[in-house]
Amino acid sequence: DGGITQSPKYLFRKEGQNVTLSCEQNLNHDAMYWYRQDPGQGLRLIYYSQIVNDFQKGDIAEGYSVSREKKESFPLTVTSAQKNPTAFYLCASSSLAPGQNEQFFGPGTRLTVL
Amino acid sequence: DAKTTQPPSMDCAEGRAANLPCNHSTISGNEYVYWYRQIHSQGPQYIIHGLKNNETNEMASLIITEDRKSSTLILPHATLRDTAVYYCIVRPALYNQGGKLIFGQGTELSVKP
Repeated sequence: DGGITQSPKYLFRKEGQNVTLSCEQNLNHDAMYWYRQDPGQGLRLIYYSQIVNDFQKGDIAEGYSVSREKKESFPLTVTSAQKNPTAFYLCASSSLAPGQNEQFFGPGTRLTVL
Repeated sequence: DAKTTQPPSMDCAEGRAANLPCNHSTISGNEYVYWYRQIHSQGPQYIIHGLKNNETNEMASLIITEDRKSSTLILPHATLRDTAVYYCIVRPALYNQGGKLIFGQGTELSVKP
């Protein structure tokens, strides 16, 4: 099956610890994205990448870091500098071909910082 | 901020068509209208998108007005599994933050038996 996987589905961490969320896609998409969703709210862009070894900040990048060493993978690290890390994190990917830029989402990781 | 306005909630009888409206009066010439839906605690699901012309796929139809200031998503035969929050999104070009998706509050559609 082609798609996007995120793991784990639920994650608990103590305050002050860094945590890395996994995102893998086998859709051969060039672009990948990380969004954050808070209860009752829409999604906000954290980081995005359109090519391997390159990535750009989104609207709320502070306290987060990413890497793009492989086309298939775009892990997100939530650092201790993120002041309110408890949220639902969603990874997405898309083609960059004209007219085929719809983003496909993974199932999400719900992070709770205790 | 989202550039779209949607009603917060709608009901639809199972088997009937669900028509979800969206206003996007400030849309630019190179911006597409996208529709996604999100079932509780799941990732958003892409439904359909369009620029000027009406579009149809296996899930839904998208009707965009001639002035592009509003659109309607049509689910032709709603089922209970279509109960979700539906988001209408005006998406910028890829050079603008990768064509990020700005989700507003959406419309919570309840399909009832």
